[in-house]
Amino acid sequence: AQSVSQHNHHVILSEAASLELGCNYSYGGTVNLFWYVQYPGQHLQLLLKYFSGDPLVKGIKGFEAEFIKSKFSFNLRKPSVQWSDTAEYFCAVNPAGTYKYIFGTGTRLKVLA
Amino acid sequence: GAGVSQSPSNKVTEKGKDVELRCDPISGHTALYWYRQRLGQGLEFLIYFQGNSAPDKSGLPSDRFSAERTGESVSTLTIQRTQQEDSAVYLCASSPDGIDTEAFFGQGTRLTVV
Repeated sequence: AQSVSQHNHHVILSEAASLELGCNYSYGGTVNLFWYVQYPGQHLQLLLKYFSGDPLVKGIKGFEAEFIKSKFSFNLRKPSVQWSDTAEYFCAVNPAGTYKYIFGTGTRLKVLA
Repeated sequence: GAGVSQSPSNKVTEKGKDVELRCDPISGHTALYWYRQRLGQGLEFLIYFQGNSAPDKSGLPSDRFSAERTGESVSTLTIQRTQQEDSAVYLCASSPDGIDTEAFFGQGTRLTVV
């Protein structure tokens, strides 16, 4: 079955630390990839997306993600986190040409000021 | 509207009562999704609409759950005879056509069954 794994469930960092959140998926075909963020009390919003082209994708607020097809991974990175990055982060996979979005279980990030 | 709107934001209901949750998608979006998010868990797919038809209802957990959509507009998710395990945040999302595009989410309805 298609699935998305986010191995880090809870991450605590100090401000200015670097961030990498893992996302691996199981699907053999072409995929569209997303990272969504949910700030406390707010709705899920898109952080960045990959459909095709350059596998290194830049999103809002200094986030980026790299699609490594051979590893079925789409890890999220940020060189220097801020207290305002405290949120829950969800990776999602959309098999190309389908309506399905498969979400990971999310990673709760807490950034200490 | 500018975004996906869900109502109510919060709902507390007694076990055994029926509840209706509403979703107003972004205007022009033909695809609409319902997800459930239990505390500490990921998003669980419930149902997908394309227009007013639901080609995929595979995520509805039991026959107590049903959903309908009026044209390419409002959708309601109905839970009959609510149980405590139905307590969760119910999220609605819409997308332009559901294919190779991002989904836009509402703020969710937090349902608590007491």
